[in-house]
Order: sequence, then structure tokens, then C-alpha cells
Amino acid sequence: DGGITQSPKYLFRKEGQNVTLSCEQNLNHDAMYWYRQDPGQGLRLIYYSQIVNDFQKGDIAEGYSVSREKKESFPLTVTSAQKNPTAFYLCASSIGGGVGSQPQHFGDGTRLSIL
Amino acid sequence: GENVEQHPSTLSVQEGDSAVIKCTYSDSASNYFPWYKQELGKGPQLIIDIRSNVGEKKDQRIAVTLNKTAKHFSLHITETQPEDSAVYFCAASGNNDMRFGAGTRLTVKP
Repeated sequence: DGGITQSPKYLFRKEGQNVTLSCEQNLNHDAMYWYRQDPGQGLRLIYYSQIVNDFQKGDIAEGYSVSREKKESFPLTVTSAQKNPTAFYLCASSIGGGVGSQPQHFGDGTRLSIL
Repeated sequence: GENVEQHPSTLSVQEGDSAVIKCTYSDSASNYFPWYKQELGKGPQLIIDIRSNVGEKKDQRIAVTLNKTAKHFSLHITETQPEDSAVYFCAASGNNDMRFGAGTRLTVKP
């Protein structure tokens, strides 16, 4: 089955620690996205990548970093500079084009909490 | 940039009734409007979408209407079932930008 796999499902971070969230897709999609979801709010774009070895900041990139070394993988690192990292993180992919111009396929998310 | 407002934030209907969720957008350049359904602990799933060259689209019990002049679009679910209970998000995209509404929690009471 084609899809997007996010891991882990739950993650805990200590103060001053960097953590990395994994996102893998086998849909052969060119574009990949990371969103943050807070209670009662819509999805906010952190970073996106439209092609391998290239990525762009979204609306709330501060305190986060990404890499796109392979088409299938788009890991997100939540750095210690992100002061309020507790949230539900969603990874998505699409066939490409401009941001949001094509249907996006989402993973089932990673819930990050502060210890 | 684009701004999307979604109403209502919560909606409770009796099984078999219809449900309507409305969104407005601000950027006249927006040309793609998807709707996503998110169940508890899961990622959003696309349920229907519409592009700006179409006024209405229907898929079984789900329909979406778009009024470009007024800059609003709506999701209509007929003959609601308990499994329709979820959070629904609208989105608007164009000019390499995409914004989501804040979501509507739909509860269908059996």
C-alpha cells in the first residue's frame, strides 16, 4: 500500500534537547510538507520541499530544521530554540506544483510533548 | 496573504440530517479548495476538492459549492451517519500559498 509513514507516534523532549521526527513516503511524490497543529487551530506550515535537496520556510519555521536528501524522506528536527514545541506534527506529500495546488496526502502524525 | 475563516467551529446534527460547513477566503487569486476530514489521532484525509473553474462538485453524500464572487465555499453532507463524526478542515490555495481554516467538529448523534 502506498502512503506516508510518520514515526514515532509519541515523542517526549527534555529541555534543551533536539528531537527528530521521521517522515517517509512511497507515493513517488515530489513535494513534501511539515505542518504543526495546535488545539482549535488549523494547520500551519513549517517547511516544505518541492524537490530533492531544496526546501523552503513556511509561516512558522523558527526553531525547526529539515533536510531532503532523498525523495522519499523529509525529516523534521525540533531544536531547543523552539520554546513551545508541544503540538501534533503532520507530514504530507503531493505530486508537486505550487504549494497546495494538488491534493495532499497526510501521515498519521507525531505528538510531541515536553517532559 | 490568504486568510481562511471557517464556521461553525462545532456542529451537532441528528443522524440522517444534513450538515453544512462554510468557509470564506480573502485572496482572489486562490483557485483550489480542498476539504479534509480528520478523525481522532489520525492525519487529515481529502474528501472532496473543487477548482475555481467549477461552481459545484458532488460525490455521493458529499458536495462542495464555490462562489468566487463572494469568496466563499461550502461543504454539504447529506444523510449524515455516525461515522461522519470528525473534524473537517477547509483550505484555499493559490500563488504558491495554502491556508487552512480552523476546523469544524461535527458530531452526528444516532
